[in-house]
Amino acid sequence: DTEVTQTPKHLVMGMTNKKSLKCEQHMGHRAMYWYKQKAKKPPELMFVYSYEKLSINESVPSRFSPECPNSSLLNLHLHALQPEDSALYLCASSQEWGQGGLEQYFGPGTRLTVT
Amino acid sequence: AQSVAQPEDQVNVAEGNPLTVKCTYSVSGNPYLFWYVQYPNRGLQFLLKYITGDNLVKGSYGFEAEFNKSQTSFHLKKPSALVSDSALYFCAVRDGANAGKSTFGDGTTLTVKP
Repeated sequence: DTEVTQTPKHLVMGMTNKKSLKCEQHMGHRAMYWYKQKAKKPPELMFVYSYEKLSINESVPSRFSPECPNSSLLNLHLHALQPEDSALYLCASSQEWGQGGLEQYFGPGTRLTVT
Repeated sequence: AQSVAQPEDQVNVAEGNPLTVKCTYSVSGNPYLFWYVQYPNRGLQFLLKYITGDNLVKGSYGFEAEFNKSQTSFHLKKPSALVSDSALYFCAVRDGANAGKSTFGDGTTLTVKP
């Protein structure tokens, strides 16, 4: 199984709502990532988890809160978002973090619209 | 610091013709180079990578890429393009001296016309 799954596929939320994005992989990968992608732009790294511990936070606003409950699951909790946060949110995984030759496997993304 | 450039925003080719999508990079150590493809409303999909060894790397769906150290390039190629190859292509690099984060190029939109 080389699949990363993400739910929901689409999410519309108001600026006062609280919602969560979910990501799951069953490849035994120990590194998991959250990216934000605007249309026709490269993905921007937000967070990296390695062995369920937060390794990288790319100065992401606190209205985004990641969580890694176990080695297969990654969540992104959203609260009080702004319209400019509307984007495609991609989850990815790789066998390890910090080993340069390892490719990443991406999920299909959650299309988030903040109204 | 590491960087990657994709000099063409758009590449248009006719079906059956060879295609090339260009990528150049800059790293301080040895480079780890990747190509990903993104179809509309989908995530990125890994195509191929160069770590070390043979300069010609073969990947998924008939794609290949040639690593050229002197020109610091890693161009993606396919001998005969298909309409279904139309997508957004990203080149990515990691610096062997600091093999953590990937840096992605801005992407090249490939359109293959029948």
